[in-house]
Amino acid sequence: DIQMTQSPSSLSASAGDRVTITCRASQGISNYLAWYQQKPGKVPKLLIYAASTLQSGVPSRFSGSGSGTDFTLTISSLQPEDVATYYCQKYNSAPLTFGQGTRLEIK
Amino acid sequence: EVQLVESGGGLVQPGGSLRLSCSASGFTFSTYAMHWVRQAPGKGLEYVSAISSNGGTTYYADSVKGRFTISRDNSKNTLYLQMSSLRAEDTAVYYCVKDPGAWGQGILVTVSS
Repeated sequence: DIQMTQSPSSLSASAGDRVTITCRASQGISNYLAWYQQKPGKVPKLLIYAASTLQSGVPSRFSGSGSGTDFTLTISSLQPEDVATYYCQKYNSAPLTFGQGTRLEIK
Repeated sequence: EVQLVESGGGLVQPGGSLRLSCSASGFTFSTYAMHWVRQAPGKGLEYVSAISSNGGTTYYADSVKGRFTISRDNSKNTLYLQMSSLRAEDTAVYYCVKDPGAWGQGILVTVSS
């Protein structure tokens, strides 16, 4: 099975900062990569699919890039409401493995 | 609008069984593979199981293989997860998932004596 390695596991940044989270697949997955935001007690919210396509309604400060094995999620200007845990997920074929998650906090 | 509604969760003793159901609407259920994902308290998301659109192909995470069975009834637009020999580490919120943009609200399964 393909493994998804996400880094960092936690991150603290100031409001207005540019934040980058990375996700690496153990084998190529083309662009079948999704990013989620999850707040406590809530269902994961889809932010990005197809590695770089912004889900409808998601603020434009979120962006995704990458293809093959290396992917990034970028928040261009961190807002207080962005405090959450972020996950990547491959979805080209089962198993639709998740990364370990990145907990994002505001300094 | 896609809707996925899980049911059947609750408290069960170690070694017990439980069947989760996921009622689907708003899309042609019989043409989509479906998935179960779980999240233990304070932990990350864990992919549990998948089933192809016609039910002919299934996948299980190693952690549940031999204990859980995924199935579907396309005539009823319903996905199932039969869980047996439950362990404390199976305690989690279980989500029914159609694709990255379509998740159920989740159902809590607690395995405890």
